[in-house]
Amino acid sequence: AQSVTQLGSHVSVSEGALVLLRCNYSSSVPPYLFWYVQYPNQGLQLLLKYTSAATLVKGINGFEAEFKKSETSFHLTKPSAHMSDAAEYFCAVSERDSNYQLIWGAGTKLIIKP
Amino acid sequence: GAGVSQSPSNKVTEKGKDVELRCDPISGHTALYWYRQSLGQGLEFLIYFQGNSAPDKSGLPSDRFSAERTGGSVSTLTIQRTQQEDSAVYLCASSRLTGLSGANVLTFGAGSRLTVL
Repeated sequence: AQSVTQLGSHVSVSEGALVLLRCNYSSSVPPYLFWYVQYPNQGLQLLLKYTSAATLVKGINGFEAEFKKSETSFHLTKPSAHMSDAAEYFCAVSERDSNYQLIWGAGTKLIIKP
Repeated sequence: GAGVSQSPSNKVTEKGKDVELRCDPISGHTALYWYRQSLGQGLEFLIYFQGNSAPDKSGLPSDRFSAERTGGSVSTLTIQRTQQEDSAVYLCASSRLTGLSGANVLTFGAGSRLTVL
């Protein structure tokens, strides 16, 4: 069965530093991949998605993620962290032939230090 | 509507009472999901509706939980005889899912926070 692993339940970075949030999936066939962000007391919002067009995907708020098939990874990055990036980030995958069911990672809470 | 609307945003109830949570999805979205998010936890799938098809209820944790979707639009999640472990945020999401192919992007509501005393 498909699974998603997000390394680190909490990640702390200084304002202006690089943000790197890790996501690994288990499928041998490249699935659809998503990153969602959840700000306090809000629902989840799509940051970006990978479908197959390009391995480097750009999303909102300066975030991007790179699909690496050899590493079964889809890590999320942002060159310079801003205080407003403090939130919880979820990685999710769905199979290409059964796309209604998303498998979710446990989430990573991003903490920004001033 | 413009987004997914959930009500109530907060609900405090006593153990043993029944509660109903409502979700109004985006107009035209055929797929509707309910998830549960407990404190500090990820998303736990509860139930999925797609058009007129039979719902996928595989995530409902017990027979105290049920959900319906009337007219392919509004959905209600009902929890009977609430227990303290039911305390969580219940998230509803909808999507314009039209087939098995294509990336399925979900739009989430802000959630209903349930506290069982």
